[in-house]
Amino acid sequence: RKEVEQDPGPFNVPEGATVAFNCTYSNSASQSFFWYRQDCRKEPKLLMSVYSSGNEDGRFTAQLNRASQYISLLIRDSKLSDSATYLCAARGRTYKYIFGTGTRLKVLA
Amino acid sequence: EAGVTQFPSHSVIEKGQTVTLRCDPISGHDNLYWYRRVMGKEIKFLLHFVKESKQDESGMPNNRFLAERTGGTYSTLKVQPAELEDSGVYFCASSHQTASTDTQYFGPGTRLTVL
Repeated sequence: RKEVEQDPGPFNVPEGATVAFNCTYSNSASQSFFWYRQDCRKEPKLLMSVYSSGNEDGRFTAQLNRASQYISLLIRDSKLSDSATYLCAARGRTYKYIFGTGTRLKVLA
Repeated sequence: EAGVTQFPSHSVIEKGQTVTLRCDPISGHDNLYWYRRVMGKEIKFLLHFVKESKQDESGMPNNRFLAERTGGTYSTLKVQPAELEDSGVYFCASSHQTASTDTQYFGPGTRLTVL
């Protein structure tokens, strides 16, 4: 079993829709979590950090559920420009990030 | 503020050749990380420098890979001799401190193709 697992998708949603992704992690010692956005052939760019129960930034909300060992990313009012791959990463006591394979999102006009 | 830069952006070499990748972290960032993404797989950690010291090299695949960070500024990752399975995108990341809430910023990556 992978340490961080994501549904690869793709998630095809119409513009304006609300979409949610989940990311599960197996290491209960993981301390902090991150959502990165990656466009095709580009570097991962930080979208949100999640250290406690959750975080909100505009149309994006991340939630952490330590009991069930998952984090979620909710995108409201989807835009065409939100189309990308969303990477989940977990960090434990060492400083390395453990990544999931990413979830592809396509927002359709 | 300039981000993490990597050179070259692409490299195509033949099996058995040597390739050296370079990473320039964000100015002032003591922590530098190398990661690799092989096609179809997740991004995987290779190693972590704090200044010029290797803090964690548990992800290095084998002794064909050598990373250095002389002077604690830029870093190089050399693959010698390259094998077919070394193909992938090599990302460098840097961060300011190693607190639990630290954030890593990624460079654009070097796409390595070994023929």
